[in-house]
Amino acid sequence: QKEVEQNSGPLSVPEGAIASLNCTYSDRGSQSFFWYRQYSGKSPELIMSIYSNGDKEDGRFTAQLNKASQYVFLLIRDSQPSDSATYLCAVEGSSNYQLIWGAGTKLIIKP
Amino acid sequence: SAVISQKPSRDICQRGTSLTIQCQVDSQVTMMFWYRQQPGQSLTLIATANQGSEATYESGFVIDKFPISRPNLTFSTLTVSNMSPEDSSIYLCSVSLAVRGGYTFGSGTRLTVV
Repeated sequence: QKEVEQNSGPLSVPEGAIASLNCTYSDRGSQSFFWYRQYSGKSPELIMSIYSNGDKEDGRFTAQLNKASQYVFLLIRDSQPSDSATYLCAVEGSSNYQLIWGAGTKLIIKP
Repeated sequence: SAVISQKPSRDICQRGTSLTIQCQVDSQVTMMFWYRQQPGQSLTLIATANQGSEATYESGFVIDKFPISRPNLTFSTLTVSNMSPEDSSIYLCSVSLAVRGGYTFGSGTRLTVV
C-alpha cells in the first residue's frame, strides 16, 4: 500500500514568519511531487510541483525534495493570513502515475 | 492548465433518489477522475473515467452505486444512486493533462442527503 503522510495540524504560525510543512512518502519509485492548497469550501489548487532533488522556488513558496530520505517539504516565507488553508501533498505513483494523496495539514497564520 | 466546469455546485436530495454530476473540460483529456471528500478529510478516489471503455473503480466503490459515463474526451458524468445520508460529501472531478503534470480540479459538488 503506497502511502503519503502529513501532520494533520493545525499548524499555527505568526504572520511574517516561515511556515514549514512536511510530507513523507513510501513509494521509492515516485518521480513527481505536488503541493496543493485548499481553502475551506473550495477545491484543491496546485501551487508547486517538484521532480528533482533539491529546492524549487516560486515567489514566497519553496519546495524541497529529498528522494533518498523520501520527504518533500513546503516552505512559505513571509506568511500572510491569506495563506491560511489546508495544504495537501500528492505523490505520483510509480506504477500507474496516479496521484496518492496525503491527509493534508491545516495551516493557520495568526495576524 | 485546463478549465473545468462542474455542476451542480450543490444540492440537497432525498434519500433513495439519484443525482448526476456533470464535468465539462475546455480541452481534450485522456484521463478524468472522480473524487469524494468528506468534511475535514482528504481526497478519496472513486474511479477513473476512460473514454470509450468502462470506468475503473477503486476498492469500496461499485458501478451500480456510482455509474460513470465518458462519452467523449471533454465530458463525464458521475451518478450517485439510491442515496443515503452517508453519501453526503463533496464530489470533485479532476483531469490530468500530462504525465507528471499534476491534476486540475473542478469546483466541486456539495451533496447533502436528507
